[in-house]
Amino acid sequence: GAVVSQHPSWVICKSGTSVKIECRSLDFQATTMFWYRQFPKQSLMLMATSNEGSKATYEQGVEKDKFLINHASLTLSTLTVTSAHPEDSSFYICSARAGRYQPQHFGDGTRLSIL
Amino acid sequence: QKEVEQNSGPLSVPEGAIASLNCTYSDRGSQSFFWYRQYSGKSPELIMSIYSNGDKEDGRFTAQLNKASQYVSLLIRDSQPSDSATYLCAVKLNRDDKIIFGKGTRLHILP
Repeated sequence: GAVVSQHPSWVICKSGTSVKIECRSLDFQATTMFWYRQFPKQSLMLMATSNEGSKATYEQGVEKDKFLINHASLTLSTLTVTSAHPEDSSFYICSARAGRYQPQHFGDGTRLSIL
Repeated sequence: QKEVEQNSGPLSVPEGAIASLNCTYSDRGSQSFFWYRQYSGKSPELIMSIYSNGDKEDGRFTAQLNKASQYVSLLIRDSQPSDSATYLCAVKLNRDDKIIFGKGTRLHILP
């Protein structure tokens, strides 16, 4: 149980392209989803928290106009990296949880490379 | 003081021995505690959740929680080379909706 699917696994694209990453909870309803970024050999960095049907809450220093988050249903959240540049290249990971005190379950991550 | 602290390691343990991973947290009102395992290049995977003081066992893993000391640990018995990974301690803060992750402890099981 508690499976989170993230798609795509890998993206390689040119600078200036917008990239959409999907995160789905397959066997539970996720009241809250989280988006993280992780650079090599560094710890997870929380980018934003999204609750179904409401605007995402972004962490300090994360540009909300660059990283668009939509949480349209209890099983789907999307992260769109707009006008991506090489410095946006990273490992993006989503997670979802069923309730406030429940553990977060992570997707497999998306490795984004901007050329 | 950082909200969730772990020794970054690496912690080297011989195969078959007990690996002990430690974590301290600053928010005294925290109620939910988690251990995740992350292999290099992969996303974190939940190993254990613990909510009450004491020990919780699941197979070779035992989580220990001491709220008075604001301390949570993970013991791995009969360590295997496949246990080599980074172990993340995570704490659900009382004050808001987030789970805060420690920076992780790298564990290396020596064959």
